[in-house]
Amino acid sequence: ETGVTQTPRHLVMGMTNKKSLKCEQHLGHNAMYWYKQSAKKPLELMFVYSLEERVENNSVPSRFSPECPNSSHLFLHLHTLQPEDSALYLCASSQEIRGGGETQYFGPGTRLLVL
Amino acid sequence: AQSVTQLDSQVPVFEEAPVELRCNYSSSVSVYLFWYVQYPNQGLQLLLKYLSGSTLVKGINGFEAEFNKSQTSFHLRKPSVHISDTAEYFCAVRDAGGTSYGKLTFGQGTILTVHP
Repeated sequence: ETGVTQTPRHLVMGMTNKKSLKCEQHLGHNAMYWYKQSAKKPLELMFVYSLEERVENNSVPSRFSPECPNSSHLFLHLHTLQPEDSALYLCASSQEIRGGGETQYFGPGTRLLVL
Repeated sequence: AQSVTQLDSQVPVFEEAPVELRCNYSSSVSVYLFWYVQYPNQGLQLLLKYLSGSTLVKGINGFEAEFNKSQTSFHLRKPSVHISDTAEYFCAVRDAGGTSYGKLTFGQGTILTVHP
């Protein structure tokens, strides 16, 4: 595997379910991100991790819970979601977060549908 | 805080024609600028970025963009498009001061459709 991978690629869940999204980066980067891409809206940054420490939580509801056990893996735990949470969830990684000009590399995303 | 406006939500064009995708930004501080492309069912891929230096930036797949500080614009251009350029294109900005924890602010995207 190369780059940034995400599993599953598609997920359908009910509002009472609990599920997790997984992201893995094979680039040796130190920072990882979760973004939400909804129809007709710009990409929204949800969480940023640097060296496994969360450095930004962009006012995301508590029904989304991130976990970063090491610099290569990032999870997004989901519980009691709402239909408006249906979206494409993108994971990204970069070498660092402080430089400013570093490129973020994106995974293919998980398409989530909440019924 | 920054904001990004992509002036066209959809741009249809014929194959081998030139194209320009427009992007304007607003920021009270210096910024870095990026263009990403998203092909169907894929994640975002960096096309090019402006950090400093020459205001004309060349990227992959024959794309280029010009940073215009006075007009706060970063328009993307390609002199001759191919069918394979059909995708959604996103302009993004980031605080150049390095204090924003990697936060990219994205525009709403422009869907480029290349017709044969």
